[in-house]
Amino acid sequence: EDQVTQSPEALRLQEGESSSLNCSYTVSGLRGLFWYRQDPGKGPEFLFTLYSAGEEKEKERLKATLTKKESFLHITAPKPEDSATYLCVVHSGGGADGLTFGKGTHLIIQP
Amino acid sequence: ETGVTQSPTHLIKTRGQQVTLRCSSQSGHNTVSWYQQALGQGPQFIFQYYREEENGRGNFPPRFSGLQFPNYSSELNVNALELDDSALYLCASSYRGEETQYFGPGTRLLVL
Repeated sequence: EDQVTQSPEALRLQEGESSSLNCSYTVSGLRGLFWYRQDPGKGPEFLFTLYSAGEEKEKERLKATLTKKESFLHITAPKPEDSATYLCVVHSGGGADGLTFGKGTHLIIQP
Repeated sequence: ETGVTQSPTHLIKTRGQQVTLRCSSQSGHNTVSWYQQALGQGPQFIFQYYREEENGRGNFPPRFSGLQFPNYSSELNVNALELDDSALYLCASSYRGEETQYFGPGTRLLVL
């Protein structure tokens, strides 16, 4: 069974204070690892897709990296508008064709 | 390009009733997936539709059923509602063969 574990569950940072969110995964044949951002009461917003170990993607203050067992979402000099829940998601080769979500990291950026 | 839309935005039902939720996929997408997200949890996969047929199912009972129409829009039906069915229901669309799924804003269902 595919498993996705995110840490920490919650993170509070000061504006401009860089940090990283962790996602550990166990899957049978990774087809893709995704990062989504979710604001309260809204649908997840797509950020990145990573396919293979060593791959990196960047978007504004966010950078996602992938190893064979983990992914990191690095946030550099965050702003209050970066406050959201960040979801790590995997799509594997086995089982149903749906995505397996982690529980998310609730990120708060204080001005 | 039109994104994924869902209706209604909010819904209140009583236990034992039936509900139908609707989803319009993003332009050019032919696959629709449905997810249930309980408060404070990550979304859980319900099922996926491709070419009007169910193409994969998560660990949900048969009272959760769906349809996909020729224009790729989709419905999620839930019969005999239970209190635990209260959640945010998310629809995501994608193009078969591409991995990334794009989500709609969700329907918030409250079962009393």
